[in-house]
Amino acid sequence: GQQLNQSPQSMFIQEGEDVSMNCTSSSIFNTWLWYKQEPGEGPVLLIALYKAGELTSNGRLTAQFGITRKDSFLNISASIPSDVGIYFCAVRYQGGSEKLVFGKGTKLTVNP
Amino acid sequence: DAGVIQSPRHEVTEMGQEVTLRCKPISGHNSLFWYRQTMMRGLELLIYFNNNVPIDDSGMPEDRFSAKMPNASFSTLKIQPSEPRDSAVYFCASSRRTGGPYGYTFGSGTRLTVV
Repeated sequence: GQQLNQSPQSMFIQEGEDVSMNCTSSSIFNTWLWYKQEPGEGPVLLIALYKAGELTSNGRLTAQFGITRKDSFLNISASIPSDVGIYFCAVRYQGGSEKLVFGKGTKLTVNP
Repeated sequence: DAGVIQSPRHEVTEMGQEVTLRCKPISGHNSLFWYRQTMMRGLELLIYFNNNVPIDDSGMPEDRFSAKMPNASFSTLKIQPSEPRDSAVYFCASSRRTGGPYGYTFGSGTRLTVV
């Protein structure tokens, strides 16, 4: 099946630092998404990307859809304690399917 | 908007018992998805419905698992008989097939423990 390689697996940072994480695939995808999951909750959509090269921001979050359509990155600027959680990338299957495949996630810890 | 509602939030059951998980999708969403999350395997799609019809159940692990969507506002995932390896968090998600940013809205999940 399709696999996404998400890195790093975990990050421990100080409040105020910037964060960068990425996701790669051996296959081309036309839709990349980034989700955040907090403890005891389901993942919440942060950013959706639909075009190669697209750069989209949502507050302090910025995500880019790689021009090869095989990767994406997510940056968080000036981290705060509430950024703690697990960040997942996801891609939509080709051919009109609504299936999403998720990466294994990057666990972010922010020390105040 | 009440979001996707799942029940129960937690379920502890003995091996061999039947377990039924419930989901109410967001009104107006016509696609519904059941995912399972474990440390080892991450988020795995089990099955998804479109307009109450099962479209892809290739992720359902075995015949012990079954899912139904009798109407647009309700779905169940049943495990019979349950086994300890079924312990996981089960998420239901829904989406609009057309319009708006593409992505699911997830429920808060059901944490299942089979002892």
